[in-house]
Order: sequence, then structure tokens, then C-alpha cells
Amino acid sequence: EPEVTQTPSHQVTQMGQEVILRCVPISNHLYFYWYRQILGQKVEFLVSFYNNEISEKSEIFDDQFSVERPDGSNFTLKIRSTKLEDSAMYFCASSEAGTEKLFFGSGTQLSVL
Amino acid sequence: QKEVEQNSGPLSVPEGAIASLNCTYSDRGSQSFFWYRQYSGKSPELIMSIYSNGDKEDGRFTAQLNKASQYVSLLIRDSQPSDSATYLCAVNKYDYKLSFGAGTTVTVRA
Repeated sequence: EPEVTQTPSHQVTQMGQEVILRCVPISNHLYFYWYRQILGQKVEFLVSFYNNEISEKSEIFDDQFSVERPDGSNFTLKIRSTKLEDSAMYFCASSEAGTEKLFFGSGTQLSVL
Repeated sequence: QKEVEQNSGPLSVPEGAIASLNCTYSDRGSQSFFWYRQYSGKSPELIMSIYSNGDKEDGRFTAQLNKASQYVSLLIRDSQPSDSATYLCAVNKYDYKLSFGAGTTVTVRA
């Protein structure tokens, strides 16, 4: 069964460092998303991406965050200068055109020290 | 007011019983409604979607939607220990931006 894959599964970084989280969405999906979940809290929307541009973003997705689809398969989330409060599980998701049924990857646990 | 609210739980049910989960949402313009299951430390997994008022059944799961009351529910019949998880209600308004509730943790006692 096709799945969304994310790497790495765990990332530890120092405050102020840049991190890039990587995702390979399901191959025939056209919409891509990043969500995050701080430990014990709800899943929060960060950004949606379609046709090589951001379609929606939340207040969390400030200038420190960026997304990119550098080739035909990868979808990345970059955090330019990490803060302690960026520590969370980051989920990539994708969906087919015309549906909001999201399929989530297994997540990257980001720990900022 | 929170966008999506769920009964806080935790909810403990005996094996074979019905688990009933509730969710209310604040935005009347919401159009799509989803239930995700999340095992501890894992990613959300879609189990049900519902778009129009009424009931939708899929195996042991039944989703119910009442847009006038801004209410969505999920029933799990014949609950099994493998159903023990956190159930997330998610709501969308045609903008590909899901709003999630905080989740209800269900424990099925053997």
C-alpha cells in the first residue's frame, strides 16, 4: 500500500540551528501538507502546498519556516533558526486532488536543545 | 471558543461494548468532517469521513453528522482491545486546512 515516508524519524538540534525535514508524499497525490503536534497537544496545521506554491499557511508558519519541492518526489520543511518551542512531532501528509482525505507520514520527532 | 471540541475522556469501555465519541465545531461553514485514530507515538490514521447530515457506516464504525447542531460523533461497535487509541475529530472548510480537536483517548478493557 502506498505511504507517505518521512526522514529522519528523530532529529536533535541546538537552538538557533537550521533543520530540514524531508518527506516523500504518495506518488499520485497533488496536495502536500505539514502539521505538527507538540507532546500532549492537538495536531496543528502549518502549511499546505499545491502546484509548487503555498496555498494556505497558519500563524505558526512564520518567516522562520519554508517549504520546498526540490524535485518530483521530495517535499521539505525548513526551519531556519530553531527555537525551544519548535520541539514537536512534525507530520507530512498528502492527498489526491479533489479530496481532503489526508494520509500522514510516520512523523519526525524534532528536539531542540 | 475552540474550533473543534471533543469530549475530554479518557473513555474506558469493556470489550464488546459500544464506544461513543462526540465532537462539536464552531465554524458553520465547515463542509468536511473526519475521524482519525492515533496510537500512542504514531501518526493519525484516517478511519471515517462524512460530508452530509445523517449516518455513515463502515464496518464497526458509524459516523453521525448534524450540521444544524454543529455536531459529529463516532460510534465504535463491538469494541476490541486494538481499538484502544486516541480518536481525533477533524473539520475542514474547503481550504485544505484541517482543524483538529484535542482527541478522546479510548481504552478497551479485556
